[in-house]
Amino acid sequence: GQSLEQPSEVTAVEGAIVQINCTYQTSGFYGLSWYQQHDGGAPTFLSYNALDGLEETGRFSSFLSRSDSYGYLLLQELQMKDSASYFCAVRDRDTGRRALTFGSGTRLQVQP
Amino acid sequence: EADIYQTPRYLVIGTGKKITLECSQTMGHDKMYWYQQDPGMELHLIHYSYGVNSTEKGDLSSESTVSRIRTEHFPLTLESARPSHTSQYLCASSNQISSYNSPLHFGNGTRLTVT
Repeated sequence: GQSLEQPSEVTAVEGAIVQINCTYQTSGFYGLSWYQQHDGGAPTFLSYNALDGLEETGRFSSFLSRSDSYGYLLLQELQMKDSASYFCAVRDRDTGRRALTFGSGTRLQVQP
Repeated sequence: EADIYQTPRYLVIGTGKKITLECSQTMGHDKMYWYQQDPGMELHLIHYSYGVNSTEKGDLSSESTVSRIRTEHFPLTLESARPSHTSQYLCASSNQISSYNSPLHFGNGTRLTVT
């Protein structure tokens, strides 16, 4: 099986930088994904890390350390529209189903 | 942009009713999934499919069934709805190619209330 842990809530101000951490436990690891979900909306894909290191996509970056079973999502130059829930997710290799298992989500509130 | 559609968007029904939640995608994706999500909570896998006539149970599948007769269609059926089924149901699909990092494309969900 697998489990993921991430903070339940983070608050930051516009223009700031915020880091959302995710630790995972899984006996089979296929990479760490991040999804964004606005209230009332559908989750949308942000990033995927299969190898150690930092992946940058515009204002968002995602980091992975496989030896530490740890990753984070970094959001820079925060905007009000970044207020949303952010979920980390891993694929389950144990059962072979290769479906994503999601963390409980981190609610980011961006204040003016 | 992802084209995955769920109907109905909202549904209120009485206990004991049989309901089917519809999900269709026009992207030709082989893999499809159903997740259940309570407000502000994590997503729980209910069922998934790798292709036509292929369906597998997830973590919360005991009270629902799915079918995959056509690639684009993946309906979810609750045989007898209960108040504990009140939740949001999200359908998703992904491409079989490069499956490990294929992002999931989600529909807008069906918000179900069972009275």
